[in-house]
Amino acid sequence: GQSLEQPSEVTAVEGAIVQINCTYQTSGFYGLSWYQQHDGGAPTFLSYNGLDGLEETGRFSSFLSRSDSYGYLLLQELQMKDSASYFCAVRDWDRDDKIIFGKGTRLHILP
Amino acid sequence: GAVVSQHPSWVICKSGTSVKIECRSLDFQATTMFWYRQFPKQSLMLMATSNEGSKATYEQGVEKDKFLINHASLTLSTLTVTSAHPEDSSFYICSARVGTDPHEQYFGPGTRLTVT
Repeated sequence: GQSLEQPSEVTAVEGAIVQINCTYQTSGFYGLSWYQQHDGGAPTFLSYNGLDGLEETGRFSSFLSRSDSYGYLLLQELQMKDSASYFCAVRDWDRDDKIIFGKGTRLHILP
Repeated sequence: GAVVSQHPSWVICKSGTSVKIECRSLDFQATTMFWYRQFPKQSLMLMATSNEGSKATYEQGVEKDKFLINHASLTLSTLTVTSAHPEDSSFYICSARVGTDPHEQYFGPGTRLTVT
């Protein structure tokens, strides 16, 4: 089976940096993705790591270590609009490349 | 960019009735479409995968006779919740995939279903 673990909630201050961790267990790992979802909205794609290392996209970075089955999303210069839920997700080639989501981390940002 | 639409965006229906939700890829042809369900403050749970012209593949625990999926064309998939009950009230989200790259899977805005 598959499992993805991430913290349920994280709180940070505006302007600060926050890291959201994700550990996964899957039979056919293909890559780790991160999605952002605001209340009542659809998930939006943030980043993807297919190989080990760091991927940077503006204020957001994502890291993957395949040997540790671990990744994280790093958000810098936090803004109030970053308050949302963040989901790590895996593509599982053992399941026809379907994207399976973690339970999500609710990010609260304090002014 | 690629856009996926859903209709309706929200719907209220009475227990025992059926509701159809449409998912359309507006500016691209989707090889595969996916249907997810999300309860409040929970994750997106994959319900089924559909490919144009073939039967949908349902995830374990999802009743295929209750959640009817039709993928009539490369731009349209529909989910029909039959004989809806209050426990079916949820946020239903579709996504459409163009190729195999995860960047190429796009999500619709979701449909909020409330069954009274």
